[in-house]
Amino acid sequence: EVQLVESGGGLVQPGRSLRLSCAASGFTFDDYAMHWVRQAPGRGLEWVSGITWNSGTIGYADSVKGRFTISRDNAKSSLYLQMNSLRTEDTAFYYCAKDLSSRVENGPDHWGQGTLVTVSS
Amino acid sequence: QSVLTQPPSASGTPGQRVTISCSGSSSNIGINIVNWYRHLPGTAPKLLIHSNNQRPSGVPDRFSGSKSGTSASLAISGLQSDDEADYYCATWDDSLNGFYVFGTGTKVTVL
Repeated sequence: EVQLVESGGGLVQPGRSLRLSCAASGFTFDDYAMHWVRQAPGRGLEWVSGITWNSGTIGYADSVKGRFTISRDNAKSSLYLQMNSLRTEDTAFYYCAKDLSSRVENGPDHWGQGTLVTVSS
Repeated sequence: QSVLTQPPSASGTPGQRVTISCSGSSSNIGINIVNWYRHLPGTAPKLLIHSNNQRPSGVPDRFSGSKSGTSASLAISGLQSDDEADYYCATWDDSLNGFYVFGTGTKVTVL
């Protein structure tokens, strides 16, 4: 059974940093691309970033480009999201998601339960 | 602001059929596969349809997807009370550097 468990969320002040982690199990992690997706309060789902199986291709939403960095450690079956220069509008549930394939273009098929990030002074 | 447009709401009585549309363009739906997700806020989204019309194992055949040109749709037949949720279409967009995009979302209410 695919399991994705996010951690690292919490309350942080604007301008500060936070690092999210996602521990994956139940599948061969390095065969699949991975994503971060978020949902702000009262808003819809928003793709944040994606990374191919070998980190060869990485993409970001315009809203986070230059501030967030996605990475993965295949040896640890883990996905990360380094979030810098956080803004109040980054407040959201952040979901880790596994892609249907090794490429990011096919989209997520399994999701974690999410971790809440609140950016507030 | 999403480049995939869905109606904000849809509703039906138990047993009825509900259809949700998803309108895109030649840089996204027109050339890439469409997925559909069900989501209750604060919980893990669930994949209902992938690759335009394929159901993952465990998803009942009450759910079906289709795609034509730059639009896609999700149909829910035999509507049940626990179908109340938010539904999103999603696909890859090849414009700019490329990005994955979700639709604006449709809230389904069972009357």
